[in-house]
Amino acid sequence: DAGVTQSPTHLIKTRGQHVTLRCSPISGHKSVSWYQQVLGQGPQFIFQYYEKEERGRGNFPDRFSARQFPNYSSELNVNALLLGDSALYLCASRLGQGTITEAFFGQGTRLTVV
Amino acid sequence: AQSVTQPDIHITVSEGASLELRCNYSYGATPYLFWYVQSPGQGLQLLLKYFSGDTLVQGIKGFEAEFKRSQSSFNLRKPSVHWSDAAEYFCAVGVSGGYQKVTFGTGTKLQVIP
Repeated sequence: DAGVTQSPTHLIKTRGQHVTLRCSPISGHKSVSWYQQVLGQGPQFIFQYYEKEERGRGNFPDRFSARQFPNYSSELNVNALLLGDSALYLCASRLGQGTITEAFFGQGTRLTVV
Repeated sequence: AQSVTQPDIHITVSEGASLELRCNYSYGATPYLFWYVQSPGQGLQLLLKYFSGDTLVQGIKGFEAEFKRSQSSFNLRKPSVHWSDAAEYFCAVGVSGGYQKVTFGTGTKLQVIP
């Protein structure tokens, strides 16, 4: 079975632009979480979606939004990009909703804002 | 809110030597604790997790960790390090119940020398 897949792997955008990152969870997994990992830091929680509904949100501005589709894939959208948005964006999928289920991470999308 | 401290930013060990990576957490209730490993350019891989029960947990690749509630610690150990263990290691604490917010430490970069 394929693991968590994220696209694109690398992306360069200009300040002020908008970006959409995509994530396909492991087959059968209904929960997707998004994390931002700035260079030299640990991942920071952005969103969690389960059954197409937002179930949790981290401390990120409204420029960040996400959605989950009927096939459980997910998109992360970031508007009005800032230089500080440059980071590795990680998607994690889980079978269920609770923390007790293991999270499987994708390889991430490296976003560079210039 | 929960938090995680990894006091060692960078550790260098000789191949074959033992390893201990430190992790201290702060959380008011029973924590869910994790150790993840991240190789360069890769996503996160779960090494082991603690939810309840035996405080010494075994993980993949020969790693183990011990939960000590009195010290709020969850240190990662390996008796004999291999060159392939060179990577960045993240300790994380999960919120129990509700949604799946996992808070990561800032990571410890492990260098293995011959």
